[in-house]
Amino acid sequence: KAGVTQTPRYLIKTRGQQVTLSCSPISGHRSVSWYQQTPGQGLQFLFEYFSETQRNKGNFPGRFSGRQFSNSRSEMNVSTLELGDSALYLCASSIGTGEGETQYFGPGTRLLVL
Amino acid sequence: GDSVTQMEGPVTLSEEAFLTINCTYTATGYPSLFWYVQYPGEGLQLLLKATKADDKGSNKGFEATYRKETTSFHLEKGSVQVSDSAVYFCALSSGYSTLTFGKGTMLLVSP
Repeated sequence: KAGVTQTPRYLIKTRGQQVTLSCSPISGHRSVSWYQQTPGQGLQFLFEYFSETQRNKGNFPGRFSGRQFSNSRSEMNVSTLELGDSALYLCASSIGTGEGETQYFGPGTRLLVL
Repeated sequence: GDSVTQMEGPVTLSEEAFLTINCTYTATGYPSLFWYVQYPGEGLQLLLKATKADDKGSNKGFEATYRKETTSFHLEKGSVQVSDSAVYFCALSSGYSTLTFGKGTMLLVSP
């Protein structure tokens, strides 16, 4: 099976712009979660989608949003970018029907905001 | 809320040394526990997991035992290799598809 894929792998934006990141889960997985990784804050949970519905949400401002399509692919959007949004954004997929399931991570999208 | 505390690094070892990375957690209920590893420039790879008390997860010579009485999930390996150099993350999941991570511990193994 193919793993989790994320596009693009690298992105450079300027403050005030918006950005959309894409994640394709492992075939058959219906849950997609997004995480932000920074040197200062570490790995922080953004949100999780299951069957096109947001099921869980972390403590991030409304500038961070996401969606999931019927084929389980997911996108996250960050509007009005700030310098502090520079990070590695990781998505992870799982089957989504059981607690404590293993999440499989993609390689990440590295976003640099100038 | 849930939290994970793991020892700060970097941990510097010589090849074939014994490795321990400490991890303790705070959570309501009975979480599942994980160790993930991140190599430079890559995403996270699952190393091992345990889903209930006294379970031992193991993979590639690494082991960790879910200790409910001490709320711990320490990672151990008997003989590390240079190729084990990476950042190791302890994590818990107490619900669906949401992981709470520790800050990560960098391991550096020299020949």
